[in-house]
Amino acid sequence: DAMVIQNPRYQVTQFGKPVTLSCSQTLNHNVMYWYQQKSSQAPKLLFHYYDKDFNNEADTPDNFQSRRPNTSFCFLDIRSPGLGDAAMYLCATSRDQGSGTDTQYFGPGTRLTVL
Amino acid sequence: GQNIDQPTEMTATEGAIVQINCTYQTSGFNGLFWYQQHAGEAPTFLSYNVLDGLEEKGRFSSFLSRSKGYSYLLLKELQMKDSASYLCAVTDSNYQLIWGAGTKLIIKP
Repeated sequence: DAMVIQNPRYQVTQFGKPVTLSCSQTLNHNVMYWYQQKSSQAPKLLFHYYDKDFNNEADTPDNFQSRRPNTSFCFLDIRSPGLGDAAMYLCATSRDQGSGTDTQYFGPGTRLTVL
Repeated sequence: GQNIDQPTEMTATEGAIVQINCTYQTSGFNGLFWYQQHAGEAPTFLSYNVLDGLEEKGRFSSFLSRSKGYSYLLLKELQMKDSASYLCAVTDSNYQLIWGAGTKLIIKP
């Protein structure tokens, strides 16, 4: 089945220790998104890629970086995690971005704990 | 600013009907999505509305009124597995998805 896969599902890191979250997709979608979601809050868009065209949201902290080496894979790097970065990180894909009809398909998420 | 409003929490009884409302103020409108999110899991797509009216899909229906900036999700014949958060999201004029914080639906036997 075509899907969005995120690894790991649960990640524990120490304060200030860099961590990388990964996402892969078999849907062959052009657009990939990274969201941060805290409990009982709306998903907050951090970045998105249209193919290799990177788009950084204005309020995404510099501590967060992203890479998309090819169509299938996308990575989220947190350079120096703080306690406030503990959250669920969701990867999503959509076929295109030129129309509001392009549904976003989400991976299962990675829950990040910062000790 | 852009804003999506939904009730924080609702409670309903198994077998009953519940309506979850969503109002929005966004810069432009290119469609409204409803997603279901079980605790600790990712959102899954439920429905999309871009024209006024009711879209029915099994036990779930979604309604849109663009002139009122209003939508609702109607869930019929509630089952315990419907306990989840329901997120409303609107695509604005820049095709950016604006998310609501979600409505936590609690189903009681």
